[in-house]
Amino acid sequence: AQRVTQPEKLLSVFKGAPVELKCNYSYSGSPELFWYVQYSRQRLQLLLRHISRESIKGFTADLNKGETSFHLKKPFAQEEDSAMYYCALGRNSGNTPLVFGKGTRLSVIA
Amino acid sequence: GAGVSQSPRYKVAKRGQDVALRCDPISGHVSLFWYQQALGQGPEFLTYFQNEAQLDKSGLPSDRFFAERPEGSVSTLKIQRTQQEDSAVYLCASSLVVGSNTGELFFGEGSRLTVL
Repeated sequence: AQRVTQPEKLLSVFKGAPVELKCNYSYSGSPELFWYVQYSRQRLQLLLRHISRESIKGFTADLNKGETSFHLKKPFAQEEDSAMYYCALGRNSGNTPLVFGKGTRLSVIA
Repeated sequence: GAGVSQSPRYKVAKRGQDVALRCDPISGHVSLFWYQQALGQGPEFLTYFQNEAQLDKSGLPSDRFFAERPEGSVSTLKIQRTQQEDSAVYLCASSLVVGSNTGELFFGEGSRLTVL
């Protein structure tokens, strides 16, 4: 079965400090991984996907199949990064729904 | 419209009442998903439509939950004989592509259901 684990419910960091939001997944096949973000009073939206290998708003995430992880990182946190972050897992074949983790609330303190 | 639209935004129901939640996806989007998000949890999959066909309803928690998308556009999620455990935010998402694995999911603002 597919499963996503985000071990931290809340992560607080100071502005300018590095950020790492952890995500581990369980899936025996070839995974597709995503990070979605929900800012205060906004709807859930895609932040980045592993297949794109891009940096969005300074965030990057590398898929580590050996450790079954897809941690989200940013070298210098900004106050506007404060939000709920959800890691999501899909399969690369078939019409399968995304499985979401429970989310981590990032709070960046000025 | 510019994005996925859901209505009502808030619904309070007495236990045992039936409710209907509407989702208007982005025009032309093939795929439509319903998710349930309980307080403090991540979105949990309920059901998936490709155009008007309901291809996956494995996440519907009971036969009190029913979803349809008769013309391949607007979708309705119906909950019969609501129970307190149905209280949650119901999220609708649409995607331009088939499935959700490569295309971006566009979410609505959700419908918050409170069952008293």
